[in-house]
Amino acid sequence: SQTIHQWPATLVQPVGSPLSLECTVEGTSNPNLYWYRQAAGRGLQLLFYSVGIGQISSEVPQNLSASRPQDRQFILSSKKLLLSDSGFYLCAWRMRGTNTEAFFGQGTRLTVV
Amino acid sequence: LAKTTQPISMDSYEGQEVNITCSHNNIATNDYITWYQQFPSQGPRFIIQGYKTKVTNEVASLFIPADRKSSTLSLPRVSLSDTAVYYCLVGDVGGYQKVTFGTGTKLQVIP
Repeated sequence: SQTIHQWPATLVQPVGSPLSLECTVEGTSNPNLYWYRQAAGRGLQLLFYSVGIGQISSEVPQNLSASRPQDRQFILSSKKLLLSDSGFYLCAWRMRGTNTEAFFGQGTRLTVV
Repeated sequence: LAKTTQPISMDSYEGQEVNITCSHNNIATNDYITWYQQFPSQGPRFIIQGYKTKVTNEVASLFIPADRKSSTLSLPRVSLSDTAVYYCLVGDVGGYQKVTFGTGTKLQVIP
């Protein structure tokens, strides 16, 4: 069966510090991968999505970047965090070429202080 | 991507049937309609998906009229554990499609 791992679960980082969130998927190949952010009490904002290794599409210009160094690994990064980067970050995968549902990780609660 | 419009919030008593309607006037021929449920501090979870008419699974029913410009998620006999945010998404069948969520409907089930 397929599983998605996302870590860490919670993170407190000072303003100006770097960020690296990692997401890995098991049990499938060539998935579409997604990073979302959810501010408190708000909906999900799509940040990045990837249809293959090294292929990243950015939805919102911001202080963040994403990379996909391996087929089932998706990394969200920042060189210098801002207070506005605080939020709940979710990674998701979806089987390519189908209309199947997206599967989400458990999320990372990031607080920038 | 077809834009979706849902009520921001709804309240319901336990044991009642809840219907949440989503408008998607610009839905395309190849678009499917998908609903997700999200609990606080968790990722969304798939509930149901359909293309036309009616789809039913063990959790919910999805009603889609002939013109497909709207859809209604029906939750039978809700319980307190159904309190969550429900998202309606419309998208192409292709897996290359980015999955974009709207604001969702916050359902509060009252004892």
